[in-house]
Amino acid sequence: DGGITQSPKYLFRKEGQNVTLSCEQNLNHDAMYWYRQDPGQGLRLIYYSQIVNDFQKGDIAEGYSVSREKKESFPLTVTSAQKNPTAFYLCASSGGQGVPIVGNVGQPQHFGDGTRLSIL
Amino acid sequence: GENVEQHPSTLSVQEGDSAVIKCTYSDSASNYFPWYKQELGKRPQLIIDIRSNVGEKKDQRIAVTLNKTAKHFSLHITETQPEDSAVYFCAASVRATGRRALTFGSGTRLQVQP
Repeated sequence: DGGITQSPKYLFRKEGQNVTLSCEQNLNHDAMYWYRQDPGQGLRLIYYSQIVNDFQKGDIAEGYSVSREKKESFPLTVTSAQKNPTAFYLCASSGGQGVPIVGNVGQPQHFGDGTRLSIL
Repeated sequence: GENVEQHPSTLSVQEGDSAVIKCTYSDSASNYFPWYKQELGKRPQLIIDIRSNVGEKKDQRIAVTLNKTAKHFSLHITETQPEDSAVYFCAASVRATGRRALTFGSGTRLQVQP
């Protein structure tokens, strides 16, 4: 969907380095999510945020950190503690203006184009 | 937490045949079940979804059925075309304590042979 922009498209990380993946949406969605996809596998939830200034760990949060200072933005930092960061990272958002948080249970998620992260 | 299992992992059909992909889920409180199509290197695209108050939903050549009692749901694609070739993911909403996100199946690689 054109409303979710991820950057960069490709990213290389040196050993011991932290890198930050950008995710911006102009869909006025309340909820945002980060998923990791390894080759030939499904999507695994890293972190999610239902509202500004609040976020929760997903299934594989270790070695990652996030912030949600603005409704439109949900950046993901891959820290040096993440020993196997090579993957395809997908950001998603759901919900809309006036939709209460509880309503997001049944809302479609819209994905960005992803960032492919590799180790140098 | 929620667990979603998807079968088969690969599926090859002849053009014009039907394709069926099945998923089971573990959390009986889950109430939303979307299906996504992902082409190589691209974003997942929502193709159809169903909520737990409905047993079946159809959109042209695509249909989804839901059996809440058995906790399984299926994607049906009729009159398959080569452009249907992609990886398909099912998902289920998780309504555990404070968590509102999707749990995805492991994916089915569908190949439609012309």
